[in-house]
Amino acid sequence: TQLLEQSPQFLSIQEGENLTVYCNSSSVFSSLQWYRQEPGEGPVLLVTVVTGGEVKKLKRLTFQFGDARKDSSLHITAAQPGDTGLYLCAGVGAGGTSYGKLTFGQGTILTVHP
Amino acid sequence: DTAVSQTPKYLVTQMGNDKSIKCEQNLGHDTMYWYKQDSKKFLKIMFSYNNKELIINETVPNRFSPKSPDKAHLNLHINSLELGDSAVYFCASSRRLWARSNTGELFFGEGSRLTVL
Repeated sequence: TQLLEQSPQFLSIQEGENLTVYCNSSSVFSSLQWYRQEPGEGPVLLVTVVTGGEVKKLKRLTFQFGDARKDSSLHITAAQPGDTGLYLCAGVGAGGTSYGKLTFGQGTILTVHP
Repeated sequence: DTAVSQTPKYLVTQMGNDKSIKCEQNLGHDTMYWYKQDSKKFLKIMFSYNNKELIINETVPNRFSPKSPDKAHLNLHINSLELGDSAVYFCASSRRLWARSNTGELFFGEGSRLTVL
């Protein structure tokens, strides 16, 4: 069974601060997705990274896929209250019994205070 | 126009009852899923159907029975509800099954919060 360790589990910061969320595994993934979930709603895809070492930017959000495709990070610059939510990473298994299977991390609850 | 819609949004019931949650997607996707999100926000796959065929059936008690009358609908029926079944259940869809599209995006419904008393 593939496990995705996401950290930190909770993050409470002031508006304007920077933050990084990490997603780590001992398993290799063929791709990794990041979702954001707001209260009372379902997760919404932010980005998918596919290639080892890939970096993708979405306004103030920067996503990186590790060279070995076992880990990923999400960095937010100058966080705003509107960034508040649950951030989830999800990896697609690259082989064995986990091939093609999507596994979610435990999530990071981010609160940005004005 | 909601892409993935599930009903009801809230469900409060007594232990031992049977309940159903319905899900419909108007995206024309081939694959639909049921996920369970516990109180710690962990999302766990329960079932997946591809073109009405059951593809993934994780270790879920057989009190949970999914049913897909057509590829746009995936319902979840739960028998003999237990306290531990309390959670938010999410329906999701994707254009193709993950294994056939390693960049496939999941589209989630708004969730159905089940509370078992």
